[in-house]
Parts: sequence; structure tokens; C-alpha cells
Amino acid sequence: AQSVSQHNHHVILSEAASLELGCNYSYGGTVNLFWYVQYPGQHLQLLLKYFSGDPLVKGIKGFEAEFIKSKFSFNLRKPSVQWSDTAEYFCAAFRGGSYIPTFGRGTSLIVHP
Amino acid sequence: NAGVTQTPKFQVLKTGQSMTLQCAQDMNHNSMYWYRQDPGMGLRLIYYSASEGTTDKGEVPNGYNVSRLNKREFSLRLESAAPSQTSVYFCASSELAGPYEQYFGPGTRLTVT
Repeated sequence: AQSVSQHNHHVILSEAASLELGCNYSYGGTVNLFWYVQYPGQHLQLLLKYFSGDPLVKGIKGFEAEFIKSKFSFNLRKPSVQWSDTAEYFCAAFRGGSYIPTFGRGTSLIVHP
Repeated sequence: NAGVTQTPKFQVLKTGQSMTLQCAQDMNHNSMYWYRQDPGMGLRLIYYSASEGTTDKGEVPNGYNVSRLNKREFSLRLESAAPSQTSVYFCASSELAGPYEQYFGPGTRLTVT
């Protein structure tokens, strides 16, 4: 069975620190990968997605993620976080040909001003 | 353009009571989904509807039923609520089933006592 692992469950940073959140998936073959963000009290919204091509994808609000096929990873990065980045972040994967995604358990990020 | 709407926003039920969560989308999307979100568990798919007229089980369907009433609406029914169904429920839609961006509703916070 496919699974998506997010290793960091809780991350606490100060403003201007760099961020990297890990995401790994457990199966081979074609995969499509997403990062979603849920700000406090709000619904999930898409940050970025990878389908094919350039493994470094850029999303909204200065976020980027790198797909490393050999490591089965799709880590989310931001060079300098802001207090407004406080949120929960979810990685999701579609196995090739699948109708439905598998979500990771989420990472709670708190950024102190 | 409201996107994905859900009603109610909050609900408290007693064990054994039934209720229906409503979801509607105005983006002419073909596919709709119901998830539950629990602390430390991320998002888990309950049921989905790849297209009007079809529904399929997700990861955690027990205790739930769904109805794809028309292209816009996808409801989730709890026939006999149990405390284990205390959760936040999210509805989502996407243009097609598969690796497409999902658009989420604001969620329903359900407590079963």
C-alpha cells in the first residue's frame, strides 16, 4: 500500500529562519505530488504541485519543493519564513493512474515573530 | 463564485443520532471527496465520487454513507453517530478524478457525545 510520510510533526522557528519540511512516499513508478497548507481556522489550499519536468517547483508565497526520485522525496522549502507562515502543511501523492490521493499526517509549523 | 461550501459549520450529536453533512461546489467540477481530519492523523478519505452518478469507498468508509445528488452536491450521512466519529470533516472537489488540484470547503466540526 502506498503511504506518504512527513517526518516532522511539529516545527518551531523564528522569523527569517530557513524552512525545510520532509515528505517521502513509499512506492515506485509515476507519481504526482502536492503540498497543501492550512492556515489557522481556514480550509486547505494548494501551495505547489509536481507532475513532471523540472524537479524544482515553485509555489505561492515564496515556497518551493524539490522532487528527488532516487530518494522518493518531495521536500518543501522556504529561505526565510514569516510569522504569517504559521500553519499546518500537508504533503499528498497520487500514484500513477490512481483517482485518489494519499495525504501525509501533516506538519504543524509555528513561526515566532 | 463561492467555491466549495459546507453546512453546518458546527454540530454536536448524541451517540446514536443521525445527521447529514451537506457539500456543494459551483466550479462545475466532476469529482468530489469527503475527508475527515483528526489530530496527528492528517486527512483520511472517507468516500469519493469520481463523476456524477458514481461513488466509491475511501480509506475509512465504515459508519458513513454518501449521496451524489447531482453534479454540484455531495452529502455525507452518519446513520448512527459514535464518539469515534468526532472529527473535522472536509469536502473537496476537483475538475476530474486523479492528480488534479483539490479545492476544499471550510469544514464541519462534529462532536459526538
